Amino acid sequence: KQEVTQIPAALSVPEGENLVLNCSFTDSAIYNLQWFRQDPGKGLTSLLLIQSSQREQTSGRLNASLDKSSGRSTLYIAASQPGDSATYLCAVLSNTGNQFYFGTGTSLTVIP
Amino acid sequence: NAGVMQNPRHLVRRRGQEARLRCSPMKGHSHVYWYRQLPEEGLKFMVYLQKENIIDESGMPKERFSAEFPKEGPSILRIQQVVRGDSAAYFCASSPRGQEGYTFGSGTRLTVV
Repeated sequence: KQEVTQIPAALSVPEGENLVLNCSFTDSAIYNLQWFRQDPGKGLTSLLLIQSSQREQTSGRLNASLDKSSGRSTLYIAASQPGDSATYLCAVLSNTGNQFYFGTGTSLTVIP
Repeated sequence: NAGVMQNPRHLVRRRGQEARLRCSPMKGHSHVYWYRQLPEEGLKFMVYLQKENIIDESGMPKERFSAEFPKEGPSILRIQQVVRGDSAAYFCASSPRGQEGYTFGSGTRLTVV
């Protein structure tokens, strides 16, 4: 059964810092991996999607990498801003495409 | 395109009542997925439906929970005889063809008192 783990569970950084969020998964048979952002009481916003054949994706200040063989992904956020404060969720999509397996998230606070 | 619409946004039920959560997928999406987020836990898959068919219900509790996606109208997640442990955020997602293009709704927050 797929297990997704995110480290750290919580992170607090001063504005302007670069930071890395980590995600690991136990079964490398995935269709893709996606990073989401969740604001308190809100839904999920997709940030980056990496297909299983890809190594990384970039969008603005965000860069996500995928090492499928080792079961790891990282989300790199450059020059963090207070507006980046949210919970970041890593999710892997099963090969059948039927379901995402989510980590429990990293709660990020960027201090002005 | 209004995105995936879930209603109500918040729902309060007393123990023993029924809860009905609705999800209207994005236009052109025929695949619907329901997830549950318990307090302090990650999102867990419940059920995957296509129009009029349940494809995968491996994450659905065996009792009191049911889901449908009729030919016309929204997908419905029904919880009968709710208990306090059912209090959670329930998210719906849709996709046009499975495996690609997932979009999540804003969720329904169910509180059982």
